[in-house]
Amino acid sequence: EPEVTQTPSHQVTQMGQEVILRCVPISNHLYFYWYRQILGQKVEFLVSFYNNEISEKSEIFDDQFSVERPDGSNFTLKIRSTKLEDSAMYFCASSNENIQYFGAGTRLSVL
Amino acid sequence: RKEVEQDPGPFNVPEGATVAFNCTYSNSASQSFFWYRQDCRKEPKLLMSVYSSGNEDGRFTAQLNRASQYISLLIRDSKLSDSATYLCVVRYSSASKIIFGSGTRLSIRP
Repeated sequence: EPEVTQTPSHQVTQMGQEVILRCVPISNHLYFYWYRQILGQKVEFLVSFYNNEISEKSEIFDDQFSVERPDGSNFTLKIRSTKLEDSAMYFCASSNENIQYFGAGTRLSVL
Repeated sequence: RKEVEQDPGPFNVPEGATVAFNCTYSNSASQSFFWYRQDCRKEPKLLMSVYSSGNEDGRFTAQLNRASQYISLLIRDSKLSDSATYLCVVRYSSASKIIFGSGTRLSIRP
């Protein structure tokens, strides 16, 4: 069964450092998303991406965040200068308009 | 008012019991509705979509009441493996972001 894959599974970084979280969406999907979940809280939308551009973003997705689809398979989330409050589980999802399928997530720990 | 509201639980029920969860949503323009389940420290996984006429998938039954902006999930003959957090999810239009409730924790005891 096709699945969304994310790497790394766990990323530890120092405050102020840049991180890149990577995702390989399901191959025939056209819509890509990033969500995050702070420990003990609900899953929150960050950004959606379609046709090589951002289609929607939340208030959380400020100038420190960016997304890119550098080739035909990868979809990345970059955080330029990490803050302590960026510590969370980051989930990538993909869809073909209907059901969104989620990757296993990257746990980001900012020290 | 929260966009999607759920009773956080936890619900602690014996194996074999029937349990029901409810969810309300605030935006009457919402078009699509889902139940996802999330195991501890794992990703959300689709349990079932929710249709206006109500739908059933094995032991799981979902209902939607658009007039009351209310969604429900019924689990019959609960199994130990049903222990998880159940997430009520709403979407405003196809391919748009999905909005999660905070989840209802269910624990099935032997």
